[in-house]
Amino acid sequence: DGGITQSPKYLFRKEGQNVTLSCEQNLNHDAMYWYRQDPGQGLRLIYYSQIVNDFQKGDIAEGYSVSREKKESFPLTVTSAQKNPTAFYLCASSTRDRGYYGYTFGSGTRLTVV
Amino acid sequence: EDQVTQSPEALRLQEGESSSLNCSYTVSGLRGLFWYRQDPGKGPEFLFTLYSAGEEKEKERLKATLTKKESFLHITAPKPEDSATYLCAVFGNQFYFGTGTSLTVIP
Repeated sequence: DGGITQSPKYLFRKEGQNVTLSCEQNLNHDAMYWYRQDPGQGLRLIYYSQIVNDFQKGDIAEGYSVSREKKESFPLTVTSAQKNPTAFYLCASSTRDRGYYGYTFGSGTRLTVV
Repeated sequence: EDQVTQSPEALRLQEGESSSLNCSYTVSGLRGLFWYRQDPGKGPEFLFTLYSAGEEKEKERLKATLTKKESFLHITAPKPEDSATYLCAVFGNQFYFGTGTSLTVIP
């Protein structure tokens, strides 16, 4: 079955450390997205990519970086510059025009600073 | 400015007690309104897409409706397994998510 796989499910980061969240999709979607979800807030867009080797900053890109070397993969690195990284991170993908389903989401990664 | 507002923030229902969730929006050129269900610790799961005022979609105990300013998710005779957070999103120039309604159905 097609879908999006995020790993790991839980991730712990020490102060000053960079960590990378994995996102892989086998839906043949062109576009991929990273969102951050905090309690009481809507999903906030971190980065998105509509085509391989190209990506754009979202509303809260500071302290994060991404790459899109393959259509299937869109990893997110949370750098030490992100001062409040504890959150639930969601990866999503879509056809370029968003289509009928809007986004297809992964199961999320919960990042905690220790 | 485009925005999405969901109400109430939280809703507790007795099993079988029907109710509605609201999603109010302002968006330039609506290209779609989406409803998702999100269980704790999981990603949102697609429920419905609505494109134009007057449109309705149904799935089991859920029915989504759309006007020019808002959408309702009607839940008829809910069961405990309907407990989840329900997210609304609108697609205009960008994709905007509401903060969700947390629904708890008590047996």
